[in-house]
Formats: sequence, structure tokens, C-alpha cells
Amino acid sequence: AQSVTQPDIHITVSEGASLELRCNYSYGATPYLFWYVQSPGQGLQLLLKYFSGDTLVQGIKGFEAEFKRSQSSFNLRKPSVHWSDAAEYFCAVAAYNQGGKLIFGQGTELSVKP
Amino acid sequence: GAGVSQSPSNKVTEKGKDVELRCDPISGHTALYWYRQSLGQGLEFLIYFQGNSAPDKSGLPSDRFSAERTGGSVSTLTIQRTQQEDSAVYLCASSLAGSEEKLFFGSGTQLSVL
Repeated sequence: AQSVTQPDIHITVSEGASLELRCNYSYGATPYLFWYVQSPGQGLQLLLKYFSGDTLVQGIKGFEAEFKRSQSSFNLRKPSVHWSDAAEYFCAVAAYNQGGKLIFGQGTELSVKP
Repeated sequence: GAGVSQSPSNKVTEKGKDVELRCDPISGHTALYWYRQSLGQGLEFLIYFQGNSAPDKSGLPSDRFSAERTGGSVSTLTIQRTQQEDSAVYLCASSLAGSEEKLFFGSGTQLSVL
């Protein structure tokens, strides 16, 4: 069965520091991979997605993620965090050709220290 | 409208009552999804509508849950005989198609069952 693991429930980083949020997935075929962000009181917003091709994908707000098939990982990175990045981040996987039927991880809450 | 609209934003009900949650997708989006976000379960897929095809109901947790989509636009999620474990945020999302298009999420309906 498909599953997504986000090992870190809560992460705190200082503003300006780099960020990496971990995501591991379990899926038997080529997955579609996503990162979504949920800010307080707002709906989920897509940061980036990977379907095929270049394993390093760029997203909005300066985020990027790298697909590593050998490690079944799709970690999210940002070189310099801004206070407005404080939010909850969700990694998700979908079966091929079912890009909207998502299996989500439990989420990682990001706090940013001034 | 500009985004996915859900109503009501908050709903408090008594155990055993029926509730209806409404989702108005982005105009022109043929695919519509319902997800549930709860403390114990994270984000779970519930049901998916794509055009005139039969909906994918594989995520509905019990037969107390049902959904319909009228005229290929507005959708209603109905929960009959609500239970306390139904308390959650119910999120609706829409996309241009069901495969590789990104999902646009509404802000959700917070359901509290007393």
C-alpha cells in the first residue's frame, strides 16, 4: 500500500537559516510526488510536484525538492527561511494517472525564530 | 468565483444529527475531491468526482458518508447520524482534470460533533 512518512512533527529554524523537511514514501511504481503548505486559516497550497524528468524540481516561494528513487525520498529544501514560511508542510504521493487522489504524510509544522 | 468556496466554514452539531457540507469549485474545473483532516488521522482522501464518470468513493469511511455533485459543479458531502469521531476539517479541492493538474483547495469546513 502507498504511504508517506514525514519523520519530523515539528521543526524550528532561525530566520535566514537553511531548511530541509524530510519525506519518505512507499510505492511500488512510479509515483507522483507533491509538497503542499498550509498556513493558519488558509487552504492547502501546492508548492511543487514531481512527475518525471529532472529529479530536482523548483517550486514557488523559493522552495525546491529532490526526488531520490534509491532512498524513496522527496525532501523539501529552502536555502534561506523567511518568517512568513512558518506553516505546516505536507508531503503527498499519488498513483500514476491519479494525480488528485493523494496520500498525505502527517505533516511537519515549521516555526521560524526571529 | 476566484477560488474553491466551502460552506459553512464552521458547523457544530449534536451526535446523531445529519449534516451537509457544500463545495463550490473553481469554474471550469472538471475534477472535484473531498478530503478530511483530523487530529488522529491526518489528511485522508474521501471521494473524487471527474466529469460524468462514476465517482471514486474508495475513501469514504462508512456508509453514513455520501456525496453528490450536481450539474458537474457544486458538490455536497452528507454525513448521516454524526458521531464524535466525525469531528474534523472537511476540505474540498478542484482541478482542471484528474490526472496531472494541481489541486486548488478550499479553506474547509470545521465540523464539531458534540
